[in-house]
Amino acid sequence: DQQVKQNSPSLSVQEGRISILNCDYTNSMFDYFLWYKKYPAEGPTFLISISSIKDKNEDGRFTVFLNKSAKHLSLHIVPSQPGDSAVYFCAAKRETGANSKLTFGKGITLSVRP
Amino acid sequence: GAGVSQSPRYKVAKRGQDVALRCDPISGHVSLFWYQQALGQGPEFLTYFQNEAQLDKSGLPSDRFFAERPEGSVSTLKIQRTQQEDSAVYLCASSLGEDGYTFGSGTRLTVV
Repeated sequence: DQQVKQNSPSLSVQEGRISILNCDYTNSMFDYFLWYKKYPAEGPTFLISISSIKDKNEDGRFTVFLNKSAKHLSLHIVPSQPGDSAVYFCAAKRETGANSKLTFGKGITLSVRP
Repeated sequence: GAGVSQSPRYKVAKRGQDVALRCDPISGHVSLFWYQQALGQGPEFLTYFQNEAQLDKSGLPSDRFFAERPEGSVSTLKIQRTQQEDSAVYLCASSLGEDGYTFGSGTRLTVV
């Protein structure tokens, strides 16, 4: 039973345009959400996070939106760059802090075309 | 060190063989996690250490899997009598207390 779902396995976007990566979750106990980026043969790298008390968090070209009532979050990348091509994982956990495990989605492969 | 270091990067094991995977976390990081990532899937939690104490091992798939962190730094994940379904990338992550912890590059285990 997938508690974090990334239903689209891939996304292709033109350089300079917006990339929107979606994620849904089923566990209402999750209250902290993270996005990780992964290049081949490397470990996931933390990108951006959001607490359930917020509905938006922005960091440079990256913005994460959270809709708690819909149990949905999305990552927006504007403008998209070829170097953004990677696998993006959505992850969730039950409380902030270092000692709580993450539940990951299956990932979305983003390709940014030059 | 500068990052989380895992060794070996690749391991091929014959079915039934025991393997040991090593993780060197970032110096001073209290929290250490192990995850298993099967092909085409996201990482799945295996176990968590706070210093030398294993506080959560609920994700270990069977009693063939064992993890330790005896001195609160380096950790070893041991898999006994490996099976083909154990083939995966094993990721280690460490954290000082912030929310986005740092992953290593992983060990790709292939059981033949």
